[in-house]
Amino acid sequence: DAGVIQSPRHEVTEMGQEVTLRCKPISGHNSLFWYRQTMMRGLELLIYFNNNVPIDDSGMPEDRFSAKMPNASFSTLKIQPSEPRDSAVYFCASSLVGNTEAFFGQGTRLTVV
Amino acid sequence: QQQVKQSPQSLIVQKGGISIINCAYENTAFDYFPWYQQFPGKGPALLIAIRPDVSEKKEGRFTISFNKSAKQFSLHIMDSQPGDSATYFCAASNNNNDMRFGAGTRLTVKP
Repeated sequence: DAGVIQSPRHEVTEMGQEVTLRCKPISGHNSLFWYRQTMMRGLELLIYFNNNVPIDDSGMPEDRFSAKMPNASFSTLKIQPSEPRDSAVYFCASSLVGNTEAFFGQGTRLTVV
Repeated sequence: QQQVKQSPQSLIVQKGGISIINCAYENTAFDYFPWYQQFPGKGPALLIAIRPDVSEKKEGRFTISFNKSAKQFSLHIMDSQPGDSATYFCAASNNNNDMRFGAGTRLTVKP
């Protein structure tokens, strides 16, 4: 298996633009997580899905952020409109429901100028 | 709010020394406590994990000590090597897969 696949690896966008980050979890995994990593706040859980259903989105910072998981093999995190303070590395991870190892993707480094 | 508190923020250790990183949690629903290791430009990867039915778990040079009553756990790296230089995250998870991470510790092992 290729592991968790995220795209793009790097994204530079102007303030106000819409940004969409994509994630393909490991085949067979039924939990998917979106995390944001910054120097100041470490790894923050934004939202996670079990069996394609959002379980907890309390970490989503504002209404500008939204996430979807239309099927078991694909998820998106959208920021609209983007702001400079959204600049961070965004990680997607997947696992099996029931407290098992979470496997992380390589991350998307987002820069909003 | 930070559900898992981790310290120190950074740590410098001489080669061959012991590295110790501490974490504390509040939510008693957590029942799985992994440690992740992250190298620059990479995603975090599982290093070692423990469940609350044991007080210690050892894998090679890495040991987790777990104190359920104090709601604290720690990572010990024995005989630290320059290749161990990385950022380490503790985490805590409940049975519904809600996994929360500490803020991370940047470890530097000097040769």
